[in-house]
Amino acid sequence: GDSVTQMEGPVTLSEEAFLTINCTYTATGYPSLFWYVQYPGEGLQLLLKATKADDKGSNKGFEATYRKETTSFHLEKGSVQVSDSAVYFCALSELVGGGTSYGKLTFGQGTILTVHP
Amino acid sequence: DADVTQTPRNRITKTGKRIMLECSQTKGHDRMYWYRQDPGLGLRLIYYSFDVKDINKGEISDGYSVSRQAQAKFSLSLESAIPNQTALYFCATSETNTEAFFGQGTRLTVV
Repeated sequence: GDSVTQMEGPVTLSEEAFLTINCTYTATGYPSLFWYVQYPGEGLQLLLKATKADDKGSNKGFEATYRKETTSFHLEKGSVQVSDSAVYFCALSELVGGGTSYGKLTFGQGTILTVHP
Repeated sequence: DADVTQTPRNRITKTGKRIMLECSQTKGHDRMYWYRQDPGLGLRLIYYSFDVKDINKGEISDGYSVSRQAQAKFSLSLESAIPNQTALYFCATSETNTEAFFGQGTRLTVV
């Protein structure tokens, strides 16, 4: 079955440091890939997504590129802020219905990010 | 008001009790999901429903049941709660070509 593996955390950085959170996946087809973020006390919200190989998703200074050859979707940000402290989840969704719709999401285990001033 | 609302937000219950977690959505989506979050394990799918007449088991459905009362409502029940069902539970909704939208979660403690 499908699976997602994220780098182990927690990750602790100083403000303005460079962030990378690794994510690799296993899927039988051609999934869409997502990064979700969970701020303290809140539900998950979509951070960015990519639907095909070599697509780059970006939002709020975060980026991730869909690499089919390495089955990876690593999250990066050039300069983190204290407000980026949260839990980050990598996820995938296979296309179903003849490729016309998303199926259910499969999540990685989550990476806790703490940014200090 | 939130697009996806879960009730209760927090609940402590005793082993062996029946408990229901409720989810309602105002996004008009057909698809609804129940996930469980445990530290270090990410989110795992319990049940999902792609429309009112469609109910499917996820990867960890044992000990849980669901009811899709309407397009907007999807309830999760624990018939006889046990301590290892202590977790954070999330409801989510989606459409066929959109990402999932999550509620704020229900923190359940079984003592």
